[in-house]
Amino acid sequence: NAGVTQTPKFQVLKTGQSMTLQCAQDMNHNSMYWYRQDPGMGLRLIYYSASEGTTDKGEVPNGYNVSRLNKREFSLRLESAAPSQTSVYFCASTDRAGLADTQYFGPGTRLTVL
Amino acid sequence: QKEVEQNSGPLSVPEGAIASLNCTYSDRVSQSFFWYRQYSGKSPELIMSIYSNGDKEDGRFTAQLNKASQYVSLLIRDSQPSDSATYLCAANNFNKFYFGSGTKLNVKP
Repeated sequence: NAGVTQTPKFQVLKTGQSMTLQCAQDMNHNSMYWYRQDPGMGLRLIYYSASEGTTDKGEVPNGYNVSRLNKREFSLRLESAAPSQTSVYFCASTDRAGLADTQYFGPGTRLTVL
Repeated sequence: QKEVEQNSGPLSVPEGAIASLNCTYSDRVSQSFFWYRQYSGKSPELIMSIYSNGDKEDGRFTAQLNKASQYVSLLIRDSQPSDSATYLCAANNFNKFYFGSGTKLNVKP
């Protein structure tokens, strides 16, 4: 039982390049999330998927797209990377977004855009 | 106003003391409230969740929720150097979770 896994762990891109961050969970959770964390900013929600087949914007969706490939996998795509997207990206999952549900986080992807 | 707000600290306490971490939230979030601990370079891990007014205790940790004042706190008793980390307050509103910017706690031996 690996929990939430993310690939890659580190990535350096040049401005304008594209890439996809992968996330998978093996806990049979319905909801999955993508966050970014910048120094002093806490975690900010980029996109989320409440259930397989649905996706919705969070606080900071501009410049990103997502795909909920199946119940296990939720990917985040940067079509044209910008230096402002330099951040640590965390994927998380939860069984249901109801009362007192726990979010389980992946180890994070550290992205630098030059 | 942000949905969840915290003092960024750092908060320094001596080993063995009680550390008190505070968080306020807006009307836009009102379901459940969470405290996460995050060590430097690591991902957040859940310490406590609370959704009813009052106190909830788990070992050395106590979460307190006051809905009238829109205030959540975390008390850490008998603080240890291993408690030194950033503590994130979070709240959810249906499927969305909102995080504060975190309070850095230093426990000095």
